[in-house]
Amino acid sequence: DSGVTQTPKHLITATGQRVTLRCSPRSGDLSVYWYQQSLDQGLQFLIQYYNGEERAKGNILERFSAQQFPDLHSELNLSSLELGDSALYFCASSPSQIMNTEAFFGQGTRLTVV
Amino acid sequence: KNQVEQSPQSLIILEGKNCTLQCNYTVSPFSNLRWYKQDTGRGPVSLTIMTFSENTKSNGRYTATLDADTKQSSLHITASQLSDSASYICVVSVEWNKAAGNKLTFGGGTRVLVKP
Repeated sequence: DSGVTQTPKHLITATGQRVTLRCSPRSGDLSVYWYQQSLDQGLQFLIQYYNGEERAKGNILERFSAQQFPDLHSELNLSSLELGDSALYFCASSPSQIMNTEAFFGQGTRLTVV
Repeated sequence: KNQVEQSPQSLIILEGKNCTLQCNYTVSPFSNLRWYKQDTGRGPVSLTIMTFSENTKSNGRYTATLDADTKQSSLHITASQLSDSASYICVVSVEWNKAAGNKLTFGGGTRVLVKP
């Protein structure tokens, strides 16, 4: 158990809908990272938050947004969903915004868009 | 072209045998290189982290090597077990900027299947 909790584990929704994925980082970790992993693809970095503020953006679509709350949990919002958005979404956390420190991954949320 | 290339894409080995996975990267400036193990449908778990000055690091039956001059790394699995069946992902950490910290660039992974 990495200590990073993601909910829900599975999500099935229809095209055009909006969903929210939740991540609770390890206790004491200030940085949260979101990644997308499509079927048989590598992990693609989406966005990073540090202590409530956006720190870095990767290949995140405009239909997607995220935030980190004062209690440090984070939510990834996906809207106007398309079939191609079906993927595993992982959250990782680390103590520092400098990623030479270890990053621990959650178990992921499997999103299926039908 | 992916900045972190892994080979082979997939590998089948017999239980008890050794194998070596390769990772070549072009990203810079290099900060550190990590190998992760990812079981199907689960989150990646870190095996090793190596900085520029480290040439080798072991974690049980896993040994990673790094040649920062040639920008190559390898992960050697000794005496493979059925539980080693997973994807192994090479991740290079690049110093992005002082405000954002480092950026992780993921390789596509090598899928290892250990057969009895």
